[in-house]
Amino acid sequence: GESVGLHLPTLSVQEGDNSIINCAYSNSASDYFIWYKQESGKGPQFIIDIRSNMDKRQGQRVTVLLNKTVKHLSLQIAATQPGDSAVYFCAEKNYGGSQGNLIFGKGTKLSVKP
Amino acid sequence: NAGVTQTPKFRILKIGQSMTLQCTQDMNHNYMYWYRQDPGMGLKLIYYSVGAGITDKGEVPNGYNVSRSTTEDFPLRLELAAPSQTSVYFCASSRRTGAGNTIYFGEGSWLTVV
Repeated sequence: GESVGLHLPTLSVQEGDNSIINCAYSNSASDYFIWYKQESGKGPQFIIDIRSNMDKRQGQRVTVLLNKTVKHLSLQIAATQPGDSAVYFCAEKNYGGSQGNLIFGKGTKLSVKP
Repeated sequence: NAGVTQTPKFRILKIGQSMTLQCTQDMNHNYMYWYRQDPGMGLKLIYYSVGAGITDKGEVPNGYNVSRSTTEDFPLRLELAAPSQTSVYFCASSRRTGAGNTIYFGEGSWLTVV
């Protein structure tokens, strides 16, 4: 069945280093992907998204890469800061499927060491 | 900006009790959603609505009911609470569905059934 998963459940990085969070998806029909950040005790917060007709998209300090050949998504955070510590979720959507269903991965916890 | 507001923040229920989680958004969004998040897991869609008067089941609807009498409000009803419904519940909204339409989440409601 379709699934979204993450290679690493936890990631610890030094402040100032770059972080890379990975995500694998299995539904080749998925055509829209989103990264969310969830801080402790709060709801998910949109970070960046990418459509399947793109392979890279950049935001402020974040870059999302999409490799449709191997069904892999990654989130790169440049110059990681303590405020980046959170759980990061990737989510996928197939706009040919159920309108409401955004499928979330389990999340990767990012810890930033000062 | 209030965004998506959920109440209550925390609640303890006894097995068999019923309760309603309230959700309201002030962004005039057509789409609203209820997700649940179990510990260490991603979010799973319970119910969603594409507009006032229209609701549809998500991935895990059993044990829940929703209504959408207005654009702003989307309450989630738990009938005969069970321990398996112990979870964090997130309400969300978006203007439309489709790539590029950001889904905004509330702060979450922590529910424990004992």
